[in-house]
Amino acid sequence: EVQLVESGGVVVQPGGSLRLSCAASGFTFDDYTMHWVRQAPGKGLEWVSLISWDGGSTYYADSVKGRFTISRDNSKNSLYLQMNSLRTEDTALYYCAKDIERGAAAGFFDYWGQGTLVTVSS
Amino acid sequence: DIQMTQSPSSLSASVGDRVTITCRASQSISSYLNWYQQKPGKAPKLLIYAASSLQSGVPSRFSGSGSGTDFTLTISSLQPEDFATYYCQQSYSTLPITFGQGTRLEIK
Repeated sequence: EVQLVESGGVVVQPGGSLRLSCAASGFTFDDYTMHWVRQAPGKGLEWVSLISWDGGSTYYADSVKGRFTISRDNSKNSLYLQMNSLRTEDTALYYCAKDIERGAAAGFFDYWGQGTLVTVSS
Repeated sequence: DIQMTQSPSSLSASVGDRVTITCRASQSISSYLNWYQQKPGKAPKLLIYAASSLQSGVPSRFSGSGSGTDFTLTISSLQPEDFATYYCQQSYSTLPITFGQGTRLEIK
């Protein structure tokens, strides 16, 4: 059974930093592109970032480019999101999501975690 | 960026109704269109991919159609468990992946 379990969400002050983690199991983690998708309270879904199966390619939404860094450790079946210079508008539930395609990214998601809540507030 | 626009934003319907939700892309995305269902407090669930392919385990009352810029999600006979928010998402352009704003389907 595929499982994605996010952690690391807390309340942080504007300008602060945070690292989210996603522990994956039930599939061959290093075969798949992985994504972060967020959802502000009561709002829709916003794609944040992706990382290729080998970590060699990363992409970001303009809203987080230069502030967030996605990474992965295939030896630990883990995905990460380093979040710096946090803003109030980064407040959201952050989901990690598995790309459906093995190898190259298809750009859509067949499994999602339950999310971890990041609140940016003074 | 490719903008995705769903209509309506909300919809009231009854059990047994046939419901259609529309998604329009700001430019042609061929058939690179996916649909998700999200229930309150839960993660989104993939229903339809590549505009019309049913994800494994999804009931056959869900169907998708369209290509280019205009797409539809149809639920042929609403069941109580179908009341949720539905999102379309384009995967034609990886940078960035974009979602529609969502359609909230409520019980009449």
